Amino acid sequence: EAQVTQNPRYLITVTGKKLTVTCSQNMNHEYMSWYRQDPGLGLRQIYYSMNVEVTDKGDVPEGYKVSRKEKRNFPLILESPSPNQTSLYFCASRVKDGYLYEQYFGPGTRLTVT
Amino acid sequence: RKEVEQDPGPFNVPEGATVAFNCTYSNSASQSFFWYRQDCRKEPKLLMSVYSSGNEDGRFTAQLNRASQYISLLIRDSKLSDSATYLCVVNRNYGQNFVFGPGTRLSVLP
Repeated sequence: EAQVTQNPRYLITVTGKKLTVTCSQNMNHEYMSWYRQDPGLGLRQIYYSMNVEVTDKGDVPEGYKVSRKEKRNFPLILESPSPNQTSLYFCASRVKDGYLYEQYFGPGTRLTVT
Repeated sequence: RKEVEQDPGPFNVPEGATVAFNCTYSNSASQSFFWYRQDCRKEPKLLMSVYSSGNEDGRFTAQLNRASQYISLLIRDSKLSDSATYLCVVNRNYGQNFVFGPGTRLSVLP
């Protein structure tokens, strides 16, 4: 089954404790992206990647890091989480070429930073 | 002004009603336009890509007006299962920057 998976689905952590949210897709998509969703603000793009070893900042990259060492994986790293990073996070993937292709989203990771 | 704006909602409509959602975008260089739906606490899923000439998929019709930088979604004969939040999505350039509107929530009532 074609899918995007994220782990963990739920995470409660404390300020400053480094964490990684994993994202994996099995559709051989070149493009992957991370979003956060907050009430009243909609989804905002954090980082995206056009291919292996190619990443770029989205609209809200501060406090986040990403890496793309393999095509299927795109982990999101919070080196020193803070309470304002409490949010619902989605990973997405799509084919790179063609601008009407859909993004496939993972099920989301609900992160709480206390 | 937000880059992508949508009707604030929520829209509460009876089954069988026709409902229209509006979306405006500020970046005239945008080339790709989409409507996604999102069920409560779930991931967004593509409803329709929006083509320049407008397009229809069953009960759903999407229109694009580039001159006015306006996108619309029309749902005819609303079903209970249409209850969701509808997200307008625009790409910022030929690249892969996607901007989501805040969404409009629809509740279809029996």
